[in-house]
Amino acid sequence: EPEVTQTPSHQVTQMGQEVILRCVPISNHLYFYWYRQILGQKVEFLVSFYNNEISEKSEIFDDQFSVERPDGSNFTLKIRSTKLEDSAMYFCASSEVRSGEQYFGPGTRLTVT
Amino acid sequence: KQEVTQIPAALSVPEGENLVLNCSFTDSAIYNLQWFRQDPGKGLTSLLLIQSSQREQTSGRLNASLDKSSGRSTLYIAASQPGDSATYLCAAEGGSEKLVFGKGTKLTVNP
Repeated sequence: EPEVTQTPSHQVTQMGQEVILRCVPISNHLYFYWYRQILGQKVEFLVSFYNNEISEKSEIFDDQFSVERPDGSNFTLKIRSTKLEDSAMYFCASSEVRSGEQYFGPGTRLTVT
Repeated sequence: KQEVTQIPAALSVPEGENLVLNCSFTDSAIYNLQWFRQDPGKGLTSLLLIQSSQREQTSGRLNASLDKSSGRSTLYIAASQPGDSATYLCAAEGGSEKLVFGKGTKLTVNP
């Protein structure tokens, strides 16, 4: 069964460093998303992406964040200068159609020290 | 702004019991509602998606219902098993593609 994959599973970085989180969505899906979950809190929407453009972003997704689909299969989230409060589990998701069922990857646990 | 609430926050039941998990949302103008399962430290597994035009969806021992007018959805689990122990999340989508999540109900099924 096709699934969303994410790498790395765990990333530790120092405050102020740049990180890139990688995702491979399900191959025939057209809509891509990033969410995050701070420990003990709700899953929060960050950004949606379709046709090589951001469709919507939350207030969390400020200028420190960017997304890219560099090669037709990968979907990346970059955080330019990490802060302690960026420590969270980051989930990538994809769906085949607009407002369709979203399938989530296993997540990348980001720890900023 | 859509707010999603799940009650109870935690539930412990004996194996074999039928149970209902509740989800409420403040804005009834939703496109769909999705139920997920999350195991500790893991990703989200989609269980059921109910479109706004539907009233319920079934998958195996799971049945989810949606009442948009009252802003409520329920997930019914029949004949619960220890393997059903996990956190169950509901999420509402209001047409902007983003899912708004509840905090989840942590279910423990005791053998």
